Amino acid sequence: GQQLNQSPQSMFIQEGEDVSMNCTSSSIFNTWLWYKQDPGEGPVLLIALYKAGELTSNGRLTAQFGITRKDSFLNISASIPSDVGIYFCAGPSDGNTGKLIFGQGTTLQVKP
Amino acid sequence: KAGVTQTPRYLIKTRGQQVTLSCSPISGHRSVSWYQQTPGQGLQFLFEYFSETQRNKGNFPGRFSGRQFSNSRSEMNVSTLELGDSALYLCASSLHSITPGTDTQYFGPGTRLTVL
Repeated sequence: GQQLNQSPQSMFIQEGEDVSMNCTSSSIFNTWLWYKQDPGEGPVLLIALYKAGELTSNGRLTAQFGITRKDSFLNISASIPSDVGIYFCAGPSDGNTGKLIFGQGTTLQVKP
Repeated sequence: KAGVTQTPRYLIKTRGQQVTLSCSPISGHRSVSWYQQTPGQGLQFLFEYFSETQRNKGNFPGRFSGRQFSNSRSEMNVSTLELGDSALYLCASSLHSITPGTDTQYFGPGTRLTVL
């Protein structure tokens, strides 16, 4: 079945550093979503991408929808302690937008 | 606009019991999806409801079921609980889950179920 491979699995960085994570698949996706989850809470949508090549920003966050439609990237600039959490990429399974599949998540820790 | 709400937030049950979890979507959203999150398996899709009909189903046993009401609120039920059912159950809603750009899913805070 479809799978999303997210990397890195975890990151431990210094406050102020930039962060980059990515998500790849062997299948084509028409939508890429990036979520952040804090402990004990539900995922919060950060950025939604709907078009190949699209580059979208949300504050210090920037995400790109890969040209091949098989990958996506999320960058966080000038990290701050509240960026700590788990970041997930997600996409509709078999093109079905009601059914998301998720990457394994990237755990980000920021050292003040 | 209020977000997705889930009740209860925490639940402790024993093996063999059954449980019902509730989800109220964002006002105007007609699609509700349910997910199970565990440390070992990550986030896995359970099922999706739209206009009171189950539109998609994940690979979970029949002990897991759900329904949606005319006001788009949804419930999921797990019967004959097993230890492995301990998880965070997440509900997500979207407008109508068809047209790109209006199908983005927004998650609730989840219900933490512990089975003893």
